[in-house]
Amino acid sequence: DAGVIQSPRHEVTEMGQEVTLRCKPISGHNSLFWYRQTMMRGLELLIYFNNNVPIDDSGMPEDRFSAKMPNASFSTLKIQPSEPRDSAVYFCASRRQGSATEAFFGQGTRLTVV
Amino acid sequence: AQSVSQHNHHVILSEAASLELGCNYSYGGTVNLFWYVQYPGQHLQLLLKYFSGDPLVKGIKGFEAEFIKSKFSFNLRKPSVQWSDTAEYFCAVKGDDKIIFGKGTRLHILP
Repeated sequence: DAGVIQSPRHEVTEMGQEVTLRCKPISGHNSLFWYRQTMMRGLELLIYFNNNVPIDDSGMPEDRFSAKMPNASFSTLKIQPSEPRDSAVYFCASRRQGSATEAFFGQGTRLTVV
Repeated sequence: AQSVSQHNHHVILSEAASLELGCNYSYGGTVNLFWYVQYPGQHLQLLLKYFSGDPLVKGIKGFEAEFIKSKFSFNLRKPSVQWSDTAEYFCAVKGDDKIIFGKGTRLHILP
C-alpha cells in the first residue's frame, strides 16, 4: 500500500497567491482529515470528510480556506489569497470509518508564504 | 466537544531513564485513544491505540499506555528510554468521528 500521498512536499509562494494542496487517501479509507501543524498551535484539525462529504469544517480558520473531496481518492485544500501567517506544515490523514483503526498520515506539505 | 491536554511541553531525560508523559482528555461518551510519534522532519506514526478491552495497551518500541477512565487519562510510559526516542509525542482522542490531538510533548534524550 502506498499510504497517504500528499503533494507538493514543499511550497513557497508569495503573499496573495492561491495555493492548492493535494491528498490521495489510502484506498478503501472513507474518512479524510486535514490538519495544520505550527509551533504555536500544535496540530489543529481543519476539516474532515466522511464518504466525500464535509462533516465538520469548524477548524477552518477563515473564508480564505476551502477544501473539497470530489471523489473517494482525491482531496484538495485551497488557500486564496495566502498570507504569511498561513505558513505551516499541512497534513492529510485517512482512516476507515467505523473500524477499530487509527488515522494514517501523509508526509505533509510544508507551506511557506513570503 | 472533545479535547486533549498534554501536561508536559518539553521533557529532557538521560538514556535509560524511565518516561511518563501525561495525557488527559475531555469527552462525555465512549472514546478511542491514541499516541503518535513524530520524528524530526517526518510525519506522524502510530505508537499505540486503545479501543476497548484491557486498559493497559502495549505498543511498538517498548512503549505502553494505561487508560484510566475515572481520571480521563491515557498516560504514555517507557521503562528505559533510548537516544533514538528523541521525537515529539502526541496524544489523540476520537469521540465522535473526528480525531483531536494534544499540543504535543517534545522529548529530548541525552546520550
